[in-house]
Amino acid sequence: AQSVTQLGSHVSVSEGALVLLRCNYSSSVPPYLFWYVQYPNQGLQLLLKYTSAATLVKGINGFEAEFKKSETSFHLTKPSAHMSDAAEYFCAVSDGGSNYKLTFGKGTLLTVNP
Amino acid sequence: DAGVIQSPRHEVTEMGQEVTLRCKPISGHDYLFWYRQTMMRGLELLIYFNNNVPIDDSGMPEDRFSAKMPNASFSTLKIQPSEPRDSAVYFCASSPSQGVETFFGQGTRLTVV
Repeated sequence: AQSVTQLGSHVSVSEGALVLLRCNYSSSVPPYLFWYVQYPNQGLQLLLKYTSAATLVKGINGFEAEFKKSETSFHLTKPSAHMSDAAEYFCAVSDGGSNYKLTFGKGTLLTVNP
Repeated sequence: DAGVIQSPRHEVTEMGQEVTLRCKPISGHDYLFWYRQTMMRGLELLIYFNNNVPIDDSGMPEDRFSAKMPNASFSTLKIQPSEPRDSAVYFCASSPSQGVETFFGQGTRLTVV
């Protein structure tokens, strides 16, 4: 069975500061990993995905994440936070097989302070 | 493409009533998923379809919940009878066979009073 743990349900940063959102996964097979963002009263939007190619993945809005198999981690980073980054972020894993059902973490709410 | 379309966006109903949530997936997508989001449990997969056939309904909480996909462009999630603990945001999502990205609708916020 797959699982995802997001450390920190709430992260607060200042505008211009580094954003680091943590995600650890558990999977019995090589995983596909995803980060989604959810703005208030909206659906989920894909930020980036890892599908067994390059371990450093670049996504939209300046976000990137690095797959580290030895640490079973897929942390999300952005060098400089912007006010518009305030949202909830979800890490998810799928087994990469013929079905793409996702197992989500509990989410991390990112607050950006001026 | 307009994306995954869900209706209604908001639904308030009384306990014991039947509720039907609707979803139109992105044209050409072979997979359709229903997720539920609550504060306590986060995002949970309820059921998913492949080519209109239910593949895994192990996430459906109980017999009060049912889902159908009569054709490639329409799916419903029905709760009968509804209970206050069913209050949540229900998301429909779809994905193509060849890709790995899942596209989400904007959700239906259900409140059962």
